[in-house]
Amino acid sequence: NAGVMQNPRHLVRRRGQEARLRCSPMKGHSHVYWYRQLPEEGLKFMVYLQKENIIDESGMPKERFSAEFPKEGPSILRIQQVVRGDSAAYFCASSPPPVEKLFFGSGTQLSVL
Amino acid sequence: AQSVAQPEDQVNVAEGNPLTVKCTYSVSGNPYLFWYVQYPNRGLQFLLKYITGDNLVKGSYGFEAEFNKSQTSFHLKKPSALVSDSALYFCAVRGGGYQKVTFGIGTKLQVIP
Repeated sequence: NAGVMQNPRHLVRRRGQEARLRCSPMKGHSHVYWYRQLPEEGLKFMVYLQKENIIDESGMPKERFSAEFPKEGPSILRIQQVVRGDSAAYFCASSPPPVEKLFFGSGTQLSVL
Repeated sequence: AQSVAQPEDQVNVAEGNPLTVKCTYSVSGNPYLFWYVQYPNRGLQFLLKYITGDNLVKGSYGFEAEFNKSQTSFHLKKPSALVSDSALYFCAVRGGGYQKVTFGIGTKLQVIP
């Protein structure tokens, strides 16, 4: 059983471009979490999704950020019109229900020039 | 709202000595508590969890944690530190009826040879 797969590993965007981060959860996992990690800030919750549903997006900025977890295919975190402050490591984690243990991907390092 | 506090940015310990990494939490209802470890440029790896039962929980790599309900703490411990334990450690919590997992800011553990 492959682990949580995130791609790309590194993503460079210029200000104003769009960034699309992909996360394929482990087989059988219906829960997906996205976190953002910045030095000195720890791991910040962004959004929690189940298949085809956003359960909690309280940590995600209302503008420019969106997330989905379709019935088929990976979960996508989309950042429109990126700014330098979006530069960070973005981690995806998945879990089967009930949520007792998260399995993390290796992350996507987003750099905005 | 649920939250986690890790009061120490960094913990230094000599190899072979016992180590403790502190964590306190705030959550409604019964807590689900977790410790994760992150090595450089990697995703987080699960160490151990407390859901119910014995207050002393044993996990991977010789780590253990003690749940203290009255002090709302869940400190990570190891009897004898190894240089290879040097990493970033995260405490996490979720409420019993709620699936969002909240992480602390992380504590950097440095084991000195």
